[in-house]
Amino acid sequence: DAGITQSPRHKVTETGTPVTLRCHQTENHRYMYWYRQDPGHGLRLIHYSYGVKDTDKGEVSDGYSVSRSKTEDFLLTLESATSSQTSVYFCAISESTLAKNIQYFGAGTRLSVL
Amino acid sequence: KQEVTQIPAALSVPEGENLVLNCSFTDSAIYNLQWFRQDPGKGLTSLLLIQSSQREQTSGRLNASLDKSSGRSTLYIAASQPGDSATYLCAVRREGTYKYIFGTGTRLKVLA
Repeated sequence: DAGITQSPRHKVTETGTPVTLRCHQTENHRYMYWYRQDPGHGLRLIHYSYGVKDTDKGEVSDGYSVSRSKTEDFLLTLESATSSQTSVYFCAISESTLAKNIQYFGAGTRLSVL
Repeated sequence: KQEVTQIPAALSVPEGENLVLNCSFTDSAIYNLQWFRQDPGKGLTSLLLIQSSQREQTSGRLNASLDKSSGRSTLYIAASQPGDSATYLCAVRREGTYKYIFGTGTRLKVLA
């Protein structure tokens, strides 16, 4: 593994509650990503970060916010969880150099919103 | 809007067969294309990355090609083994961004 830890690995929560997922890296990579994976949709980008305090939206960002106050941590927050946010969430990191633009993925967080 | 398609969605082959997985994309303005493998319940593992200026990349029994003008990439797996059974996904990075668009994957089963 490329030094990426996602926590928690599994979470069950109720509709309307806030949820925060954490991605921690030990690689000092500049770029970090949050994806969700759903049957029939593949992986879809939620948000990504290109540096500390620098973030941008992906294709399915509604209902999600992110924060990156340190290089190693990228947090994904569901302000008020809904059943449609039940999914598997993956964090990924990559370097910025041309030759090293490979994405490395964490093991995922399985979130169930009841 | 970039769309990435992988056909077929699932494939079963006998052990030892050579096989080709396909990935097509609608916008040729890509920076690179990456092939990944995903085992059930696991994260994605990068297999090969092809820059837009390259035609192919090889790693062991895997060979990936890229034809940017036609919007196609193929992943060739030689002498398939049961351990190759997994879902294979391709992803393209759009020019001028660090955003990746993924295909929905091909689920491969290699039968012993």
